[in-house]
This record gives sequence, structure tokens and C-alpha cells, in this order.
Amino acid sequence: EDQVTQSPEALRLQEGESSSLNCSYTVSGLRGLFWYRQDPGKGPEFLFTLYSAGEEKEKERLKATLTKKESFLHITAPKPEDSATYLCAVPNSGGYQKVTFGTGTKLQVIP
Amino acid sequence: GAVVSQHPSWVICKSGTSVKIECRSLDFQATTMFWYRQFPKQSLMLMATSNEGSKATYEQGVEKDKFLINHASLTLSTLTVTSAHPEDSSFYICSARGGNRGSLNSPLHFGNGTRLTVT
Repeated sequence: EDQVTQSPEALRLQEGESSSLNCSYTVSGLRGLFWYRQDPGKGPEFLFTLYSAGEEKEKERLKATLTKKESFLHITAPKPEDSATYLCAVPNSGGYQKVTFGTGTKLQVIP
Repeated sequence: GAVVSQHPSWVICKSGTSVKIECRSLDFQATTMFWYRQFPKQSLMLMATSNEGSKATYEQGVEKDKFLINHASLTLSTLTVTSAHPEDSSFYICSARGGNRGSLNSPLHFGNGTRLTVT
């Protein structure tokens, strides 16, 4: 069964304090890993897709990396506006149309 | 690109009534759309896969007669919550793969969700 586990569940950072969010996955034949940002009361906003181990993607203060077992979302010098829940997801190995989501990491950046 | 629009953003209805939620792909065609439900502080739970021109595929435990899905065109899917009850109150989100007939490895793009409150 495909599984996606995110840690920590919640993270509180001071503005400027860099950190990383973890996404561990168990899926047969990884066909991509997605990162999303979700603000309260909104749908998830697509951030990155990573397809193979060693791949990295960057967007402003965010950098996503991928290994064979997990992905990290590094946040460098975060700002309060980076506060959100970050979700990772993988396409299912069985039901090829479906996507399995992790439970997310709720990030709070304090000024 | 890959914009998904969902309407309404919130709705309050009385118990026993039905509510229709629309999901549109604005700048691409989506043969498949997905409907999710999200409870507070929880992740997204897939309810059903909506296929253009054919019946939707429902996840285990989701009542197909309560949650009616219609995908009549390549840009529109609707979810109707029939005979709504307070326990149906939730955040409903639709999604579709970006790009025309997006590949299976393409990410999903989401609407902004509909907050349903049943009184």
C-alpha cells in the first residue's frame, strides 16, 4: 500500500530561521513527488514536482530535494507569509490516476 | 496555466436540501477531475474520480447516491450533495491534471474549495 508520511506535524519558526520539512514515501515505482502549499480555507497550491532521486527544484525561499525514500522541503530565511500547511503527494502505484497525500506540516513563521 | 475554478466558495443550506458545487478547468481540458473532502486539521480524502462522458468512480465508503457527480464536458464537473445533513458539513475541493489530457505523472491543480455548512 502506498504511504506518505510527513514530519513534523507542526513547526514554529522565527522569521529568518531556516529549517526543513520531511516527506517519507513508500510506493512501488515512483513516478513523481509533488509539493503543495495550502493556506487556511483554500485549495492546495502546486509548488514543485520532483521525478528522480537527486533532483532539486527552487522557488524563492523554498528548495525541494528528493532521494529514493524521502523528500525535503528546505525553507531558507522564512518570512511570516510563508506560514501555511505544506503537503506532499505521490501518484499511486496501483490506481494510476490517483494521488496519495501526506497529512501535511503546518508551518508558522513568527515575526 | 492550469487554473481550476470552483464555485461557490461557501454555502450554507438547511438539512434535507441539496447543494451543487461546480468545478471548471479554465485554460485546459480535463478528461478526469477529482473530488476531495477535507476535515479540519486533516489531509485531503479522495471521494471520487470524475470521468468526462462516463460514470464517476467512488472511493470505498463514499455513498454514490448522496454525492452525485456529473462530468458533462471537458471543462466542467459538478458534485451535488443530496439530502444534506449536518455531518456532510466539510470543505470540498476539486482538482484536475494540468495541460490538455495531462499525463499521469503531471501534478494535480486544485480549485479553491467550497465550505459547506448544513444547519
